[in-house]
Amino acid sequence: AAGVIQSPRHLIKEKRETATLKCYPIPRHDTVYWYQQGPGQDPQFLISFYEKMQSDKGSIPDRFSAQQFSDYHSELNMSSLELGDSALYFCASSPRASRYGYTFGSGTRLTVV
Amino acid sequence: LAKTTQPISMDSYEGQEVNITCSHNNIATNDYITWYQQFPSQGPRFIIQGYKTKVTNEVASLFIPADRKSSTLSLPRVSLSDTAVYYCLVGVFSGGYNKLIFGAGTRLAVHP
Repeated sequence: AAGVIQSPRHLIKEKRETATLKCYPIPRHDTVYWYQQGPGQDPQFLISFYEKMQSDKGSIPDRFSAQQFSDYHSELNMSSLELGDSALYFCASSPRASRYGYTFGSGTRLTVV
Repeated sequence: LAKTTQPISMDSYEGQEVNITCSHNNIATNDYITWYQQFPSQGPRFIIQGYKTKVTNEVASLFIPADRKSSTLSLPRVSLSDTAVYYCLVGVFSGGYNKLIFGAGTRLAVHP
């Protein structure tokens, strides 16, 4: 079965650079969520999109932005990267009416040096 | 979203049954209880979800008392591969506008 696809799997950037993370949800899933997980931390909700509109916003820095496109894939854009942005970034998707769990991707490991 | 409290860590041995209890005193009428499992450097994985009484699937069982203020995830005969962090989440998870909020999970270590 198709899963949530995230790219790239690994990314190394220097401070003050820009990074773009991509997420391809499961087909017919109309909601995408982004999470950040620092070393030894629990996943923190960043932002979500439902039917290509932002549906909720968590602790996402102003340096970050995201959008969901017409094909439902989503991109997380991160600018002016800081060392503290080094983390695992997960994307999850769900259909509108699902009580059977949200599906997470394998994540993108971002390292800022 | 209801606040949840679960043990920070647990230790077990292969072949034993592991029970992880989660407290959620302010659970709302429409809330469901959902458990996720996360291995290092992997995304969380849905394990089981329930509303009341008992739910069982091929991986685990979920026991929910009548007052629904707590729930217990039961893992039968754990193996080394069950070493992971387990998260209890309470809320309405129907996609759309309903995000998952992860609290501090339980780090389960299974020993030989």
